[in-house]
Amino acid sequence: QQQVKQSPQSLIVQKGGISIINCAYENTAFDYFPWYQQFPGKGPALLIAIRPDVSEKKEGRFTISFNKSAKQFSLHIMDSQPGDSATYFCAASRWGGGGADGLTFGKGTHLIIQP
Amino acid sequence: SQTIHQWPATLVQPVGSPLSLECTVEGTSNPNLYWYRQAAGRGLQLLFYSVGIGQISSEVPQNLSASRPQDRQFILSSKKLLLSDSGFYLCAWSVKQNSNQPQHFGDGTRLSIL
Repeated sequence: QQQVKQSPQSLIVQKGGISIINCAYENTAFDYFPWYQQFPGKGPALLIAIRPDVSEKKEGRFTISFNKSAKQFSLHIMDSQPGDSATYFCAASRWGGGGADGLTFGKGTHLIIQP
Repeated sequence: SQTIHQWPATLVQPVGSPLSLECTVEGTSNPNLYWYRQAAGRGLQLLFYSVGIGQISSEVPQNLSASRPQDRQFILSSKKLLLSDSGFYLCAWSVKQNSNQPQHFGDGTRLSIL
């Protein structure tokens, strides 16, 4: 599977600030880009996802920005809260996520929101 | 609503022993099923996926195998565990449709090999 590169590896943000996590991909066949949130001892939970036909998708405090030409996408968490402290994974797949093959994940970002 | 169950939650096994991890999905039929392994600082690696009973695709060569004896049951096995098999194993499912279908994960099994 082609790689998805995620940065930073860890991130500390003050409460109320904006958390930004970036991902870049190589495989131009990828056309579905979800973000997952994982708390310790739990499986990843889908947070928000985007298709490359839009440049931005917003759900509450979470926004995905997508740059198809640069093959990059990012997660912005506005008004970050201590409860947002978790590990975040970006991922990518082909066939709009509906194909049988799995997701290619970034290595994760450990986010800490300081009160 | 759909739910996914994995067990056991934690497992400590000696090197060379066999392994069987089970995953079941409720509330849906004919799902795609997946096994991932998560190593610290390395994200999630897809190990196997299945589109139906008895149909298993492997993504990486390894010491593990998978089986799908029933529509909503997915089993991860090994005949002889290696130290390198330690990790956090996650099962996931998705609806078999055309697009925009996310994968939903169980809470995983933490496997430690001694």
